Amino acid sequence: LAKTTQPISMDSYEGQEVNITCSHNNIATNDYITWYQQFPSQGPRFIIQGYKTKVTNEVASLFIPADRKSSTLSLPRVSLSDTAVYYCLVGSWGKLQFGAGTQVVVTP
Amino acid sequence: DTAVSQTPKYLVTQMGNDKSIKCEQNLGHDTMYWYKQDSKKFLKIMFSYNNKELIINETVPNRFSPKSPDKAHLNLHINSLELGDSAVYFCASSQEAGGGPNTGELFFGEGSRLTVL
Repeated sequence: LAKTTQPISMDSYEGQEVNITCSHNNIATNDYITWYQQFPSQGPRFIIQGYKTKVTNEVASLFIPADRKSSTLSLPRVSLSDTAVYYCLVGSWGKLQFGAGTQVVVTP
Repeated sequence: DTAVSQTPKYLVTQMGNDKSIKCEQNLGHDTMYWYKQDSKKFLKIMFSYNNKELIINETVPNRFSPKSPDKAHLNLHINSLELGDSAVYFCASSQEAGGGPNTGELFFGEGSRLTVL
């Protein structure tokens, strides 16, 4: 399983863009990159997934450089309700392992 | 209309007891999982079942025994509870084993917080 490294925490103000970078140097050819969001006392929730280049949905964007050794989750114009733990996962079929995640705190 | 539901949500028990956590999904998914989240927020996979068959069994003590009576249910039974078993246990499901490269989407329940005294 490719190991992932992401910052432990990030602080932001409402309305700003938050970018969380995840390193995954040992990513395998058939691995996808997936991000989840977890609020307190809830299970993780799927945000976005990508393989290469850029993926965008109504919640976030995911930027993946050509070497795929890292990826950046971009949350545009965050609000207080975006305060959560964000997990970066790398894998394909089989086990998806979650790391410690990045605690994002949004303040007014 | 909860997609993945777990019961109980909270469980407080004494060391040495046996307890079970139940999970049900109404998404029609073929694969179900149990994850354990410790105090440091690491989520570790414990078991995975695909169509009632065990496909992933991580290094988990034998005291933990999953049971899948049908593909919509995956229960977790824990014997001889220890202090270190205190954690939040999450059940999840996906359409394909491991989430699959096409969706990568696991659907999680709200968790069952187990406290062993």
